[in-house]
Amino acid sequence: DQQVKQNSPSLSVQEGRISILNCDYTNSMFDYFLWYKKYPAEGPTFLISISSIKDKNEDGRFTVFLNKSAKHLSLHIVPSQPGDSAVYFCAASAYRDTGRRALTFGSGTRLQVQP
Amino acid sequence: DSGVTQTPKHLITATGQRVTLRCSPRSGDLSVYWYQQSLDQGLQFLIQYYNGEERAKGNILERFSAQQFPDLHSELNLSSLELGDSALYFCASSPSGTASYNEQFFGPGTRLTVL
Repeated sequence: DQQVKQNSPSLSVQEGRISILNCDYTNSMFDYFLWYKKYPAEGPTFLISISSIKDKNEDGRFTVFLNKSAKHLSLHIVPSQPGDSAVYFCAASAYRDTGRRALTFGSGTRLQVQP
Repeated sequence: DSGVTQTPKHLITATGQRVTLRCSPRSGDLSVYWYQQSLDQGLQFLIQYYNGEERAKGNILERFSAQQFPDLHSELNLSSLELGDSALYFCASSPSGTASYNEQFFGPGTRLTVL
């Protein structure tokens, strides 16, 4: 049972345009969401996060939107650059009873930014 | 460079064998997490240690075990290996085991191939 789903395995956009990566979740206990970027042969790198008390968080070219009623979040990259080409993972976290946190990851979306 | 190191980078072994993967967290981080990424899959959380103690367990098989040593490095032991255990194994660290919002920093991973 996949609690975090990234239904688009790949996305291709032109340099300078907006990239929109989507993520859906099913567990209503999730209260913190993160996006990670992964280049080949490297570990995932933290990109941006959002708490469930917010609906938007912005960091430079990256903005994450959270729609709790739809259990949906998205990552917007504007403008997209060739260096953004990577696999993007959505992850979610729930503050468990004992305060333990673990991340549940989606399967990733491969973004290709064409020059 | 995240500051998390993992050795070895690659490991090739045969079915039925046992291997040990090693992880050194970022300086000062007390929590270590292990994740498994199989082909075209998201990262699956296996287990978390905090300051030498097990904190959370995910989808970790009984054939797998882990520990965290006094110097905070961690080892993941995989035994009676099967073909399906071939995957990338990532280690991540974070400063606190009970942080409300913990961004985890990932190592470069160990690629395990079971023949």
